[in-house]
Amino acid sequence: DSGVTQTPKHLITATGQRVTLRCSPRSGDLSVYWYQQSLDQGLQFLIQYYNGEERAKGNILERFSAQQFPDLHSELNLSSLELGDSALYFCASSRWGQMDNEQFFGPGTRLTVL
Amino acid sequence: QQQVKQSPQSLIVQKGGISIINCAYENTAFDYFPWYQQFPGKGPALLIAIRPDVSEKKEGRFTISFNKSAKQFSLHIMDSQPGDSATYFCAATSNSGNTPLVFGKGTRLSVIA
Repeated sequence: DSGVTQTPKHLITATGQRVTLRCSPRSGDLSVYWYQQSLDQGLQFLIQYYNGEERAKGNILERFSAQQFPDLHSELNLSSLELGDSALYFCASSRWGQMDNEQFFGPGTRLTVL
Repeated sequence: QQQVKQSPQSLIVQKGGISIINCAYENTAFDYFPWYQQFPGKGPALLIAIRPDVSEKKEGRFTISFNKSAKQFSLHIMDSQPGDSATYFCAATSNSGNTPLVFGKGTRLSVIA
């Protein structure tokens, strides 16, 4: 158990809908990352937050948004869902500013868009 | 543009054998290279990591070899066991790991008895 929690574990929805994925980082971790894992693209970085502020952006679609709240949990919002958004979504967390800063991954949310 | 290239895609090794997975990177700003192990239905778990100022790092049966001039690094799993059957990802990042990870495409390892 990495200490990172994600809910829900599975999500099945229809095209055009909007969903919210939730992540709670390890105690003491200030940085949260979201990654998407699909069969054809592998693990791709979406977005990073540090202490409530957006820190880095990757290949995140405009239909997707995220935020990190004062209690450091993070939510990833996916809207106008398409079939191609079906994937595993992982949240990872890490300390900040130290050497060899490990990222710890949560168990993921499996999103299926029908 | 794939910044970290990983090979092979899949690997079958006999129990007790050595599993070798190779990765190559392009960005010379990368300074932290972790390997992750992922079992079906689980999130990636950190296995072992290395910095470019070290040519080799060993933890138990797992060893990373690093060639800075060639921009290549590899994972060796000694005495491979069926329980090692999983997907392995190499990754790279800069700023000592305080930036997002760039992953290789993964290697599916099967260790057969």
